[in-house]
Amino acid sequence: DAKTTQPTSMDCAEGRAANLPCNHSTISGNEYVYWYRQIHSQGPQYIIHGLKNNETNEMASLIITEDRKSSTLILPHATLRDTAVYYCIVRIPPYSGGSNYKLTFGKGTLLTVNP
Amino acid sequence: NAGVMQNPRHLVRRRGQEARLRCSPMKGHSHVYWYRQLPEEGLKFMVYLQKENIIDESGMPKERFSAEFPKEGPSILRIQQVVRGDSAAYFCASSPQGGLAHEQYFGPGTRLTVT
Repeated sequence: DAKTTQPTSMDCAEGRAANLPCNHSTISGNEYVYWYRQIHSQGPQYIIHGLKNNETNEMASLIITEDRKSSTLILPHATLRDTAVYYCIVRIPPYSGGSNYKLTFGKGTLLTVNP
Repeated sequence: NAGVMQNPRHLVRRRGQEARLRCSPMKGHSHVYWYRQLPEEGLKFMVYLQKENIIDESGMPKERFSAEFPKEGPSILRIQQVVRGDSAAYFCASSPQGGLAHEQYFGPGTRLTVT
């Protein structure tokens, strides 16, 4: 799986958009970008994933650059409950022929949403 | 639809005892993954199981650790003769069968403390 680089921590004001960057310059053509988050003392929570097109769901938006070397997770209106460690993970999903089923979590970005 | 269930949520064992951690996947999910999170560290993959089969145990310590996912009942992670270094949060995740295995759904974790 491609290695990812994320800032250690970020702050965001409540109600504002939180933009979390992730660099994955060695990503290969069939690797997807996944985002998970882990709220303190809880299990990780899946947020969103994408291959090359921008994606949006009820939780967040994922913007992937045209060269796919970086991406940004956007929480449009951050709340205090969004304070968590956010993990960017790159991998080939099993159904696409990937044999690496495991998720490899790095250190992630600690997002603190301030009132 | 109930989420991934793990029990117990907290487990205290003395050195040398056995620890048994249980995981019930989401309804309809036949793939189970175990991860370990040591204090102040990220999650590390341990083992991936399907019903009655271990698919990938590359992250399991060579000794004292074993996992199973029987035809009936929950998945069990067993740690024999626990040592203080086994103190950690153990998370179970599940995913659906086949091509829908994009995301893994995590349980709340079992926090093991070895005294």
